[in-house]
Amino acid sequence: AQSVTQLGSHVSVSEGALVLLRCNYSSSVPPYLFWYVQYPNQGLQLLLKYTSAATLVKGINGFEAEFKKSETSFHLTKPSAHMSDAAEYFCAVSDNTDKLIFGTGTRLQVFP
Amino acid sequence: ETGVTQTPRHLVMGMTNKKSLKCEQHLGHNAMYWYKQSAKKPLELMFVYSLEERVENNSVPSRFSPECPNSSHLFLHLHTLQPEDSALYLCASSQGIPVHTGELFFGEGSRLTVL
Repeated sequence: AQSVTQLGSHVSVSEGALVLLRCNYSSSVPPYLFWYVQYPNQGLQLLLKYTSAATLVKGINGFEAEFKKSETSFHLTKPSAHMSDAAEYFCAVSDNTDKLIFGTGTRLQVFP
Repeated sequence: ETGVTQTPRHLVMGMTNKKSLKCEQHLGHNAMYWYKQSAKKPLELMFVYSLEERVENNSVPSRFSPECPNSSHLFLHLHTLQPEDSALYLCASSQGIPVHTGELFFGEGSRLTVL
């Protein structure tokens, strides 16, 4: 069965600092991997997705993620945090079906 | 209009009430989903509809009853709920299945509180 594990339910960074949100996946087939973001009182919005093309994926708002098969990881990074990045971030995995399996989420706080 | 609209945004109901959640998508998508979001738990997929036919039902209790009258509308009928059903219910849509070919577009959710 597929699953994702997000390490750290809360991450705090200072404005301008590097953002690193961790995601490890488990899949018996080549996975499709996603990062979604949820701002307060809103639904989830796609940040980026990996679908077996380039291993480094660039998304919206300056975020990117790197697929590392050897580490079964798909960590999300942003070089310089902005106050507006404060939100909850969800990693998700899919096989070739109708399901997206989500992680438990990581809440990012950005301090001035 | 926004892509996926959910009503009501907030709902408080007693355990014996009957209520419904409504979702409407304006994106021309063919697949619609209900997810349950509870604190400190992964999003739980409840139901999937493709071209108005249910294709997924993840062992959801019968007190939750979905309805998809057309490809733009999705309902979740609620009756005799339990307090542990209190959660944020998210509707989503996608162009098709498998979902990885595109993305899920989510509504803002309906916050349900069961007393």
